[in-house]
Amino acid sequence: NAGVMQNPRHLVRRRGQEARLRCSPMKGHSHVYWYRQLPEEGLKFMVYLQKENIIDESGMPKERFSAEFPKEGPSILRIQQVVRGDSAAYFCASSPRDRSYEQYFGPGTRLTVT
Amino acid sequence: AQTVTQSQPEMSVQEAETVTLSCTYDTSESDYYLFWYKQPPSRQMILVIRQEAYKQQNATENRFSVNFQKAAKSFSLKISDSQLGDAAMYFCAYRSGSGGSNYKLTFGKGTLLTVNP
Repeated sequence: NAGVMQNPRHLVRRRGQEARLRCSPMKGHSHVYWYRQLPEEGLKFMVYLQKENIIDESGMPKERFSAEFPKEGPSILRIQQVVRGDSAAYFCASSPRDRSYEQYFGPGTRLTVT
Repeated sequence: AQTVTQSQPEMSVQEAETVTLSCTYDTSESDYYLFWYKQPPSRQMILVIRQEAYKQQNATENRFSVNFQKAAKSFSLKISDSQLGDAAMYFCAYRSGSGGSNYKLTFGKGTLLTVNP
């Protein structure tokens, strides 16, 4: 049973470009969560999605950030017009529908903005 | 809002010895979950152990055990017979057990554990 998959593992973008981070949940998991880890910090919740629905995006910056989890395909975290402060590790986790306390994390995408 | 505090930025232990990592949290809830996650240099987040607040018995997973003191809001992790592969950043995390936001994990800032051969 494959774990949570994220790609790319490393992403370098220049200021002003767009970053797209992908997350494929574990088989059978319908809930996806995105967290951000800034240097020297713990992970911070960004957004919680179910298929075709954003349930809670309270941790996501209002501007430039968006997330989706379509009916088919991976969940996408999109950052438009990236700035240096967006440099961080972005982790995706997934859980079964009825056990949200069991969040399994992917390996993360390290975004570097130059 | 809940907060999680890990007061030890770094810890070290000799191989085969025992080490305890500290975690305290602040909450007004009575129903919640606590977790320890391990993040090795690969940066993969790995769940080490989970504790349900309603359970009085401390969780144990092989060489890993917790000391859960609900009244003191303390949740320490004990690693016995430390191995080189235990070297990692360890994060304590909290999750509400009920209510509208019972899916968010709140993490501490982490403790970097070094294991010396």
